[in-house]
Amino acid sequence: DTGVSQDPRHKITKRGQNVTFRCDPISEHNRLYWYRQTLGQGPEFLTYFQNEAQLEKSRLLSDRFSAERPKGSFSTLEIQRTEQGDSAMYLCASSPGVRNEQFFGPGTRLTVL
Amino acid sequence: GEDVEQSLFLSVREGDSSVINCTYTDSSSTYLYWYKQEPGAGLQLLTYIFSNMDMKQDQRLTVLLNKKDKHLSLRIADTQTGDSAIYFCAGFLPTSGTYKYIFGTGTRLKVLA
Repeated sequence: DTGVSQDPRHKITKRGQNVTFRCDPISEHNRLYWYRQTLGQGPEFLTYFQNEAQLEKSRLLSDRFSAERPKGSFSTLEIQRTEQGDSAMYLCASSPGVRNEQFFGPGTRLTVL
Repeated sequence: GEDVEQSLFLSVREGDSSVINCTYTDSSSTYLYWYKQEPGAGLQLLTYIFSNMDMKQDQRLTVLLNKKDKHLSLRIADTQTGDSAIYFCAGFLPTSGTYKYIFGTGTRLKVLA
């Protein structure tokens, strides 16, 4: 399967801990997006990479959040000092950029206790 | 600012047609998209329509675009129980000086056997 993969699928952590999520996009897709989705809502944009460059960050992304995409391949999203309000599904998507169509991974569900 | 709105729920009987509606405030998006999300999963791209088109048909799916009224709809013919899911419309819209993927709130489709 050559779709977008995310790891882990589920993460339960205690408030104050740091967590890191990984996304492997479809190879040859140069664009990679991170979204957060809470229950009953559509995905909310967090950040966007074109190759290894982080081109856009949402105001939703506080200083506790950081994302990287070294070498323009996989990406990581780290949340430091997690809070209960960080509990959500974190979705990654990649795009070849031609029609801006996005291909989503299965998501990482984060629960902060 | 940009806004994409959808009705929250739709219930249809198996074999009937489903029509899911979406309205948006900004018509700058070159493409508009429909995604499907099943429980606990990421989003799956169903179809898209180029902004200079009025209609696009893809097997059981028909997308209608009324740019004047800023209205997008997705018609599913011969709806099956497997079509039960949440459907999101999305556009690549200008926001805060740049372009972002903006999703609607999602319409939960329930197909009754």
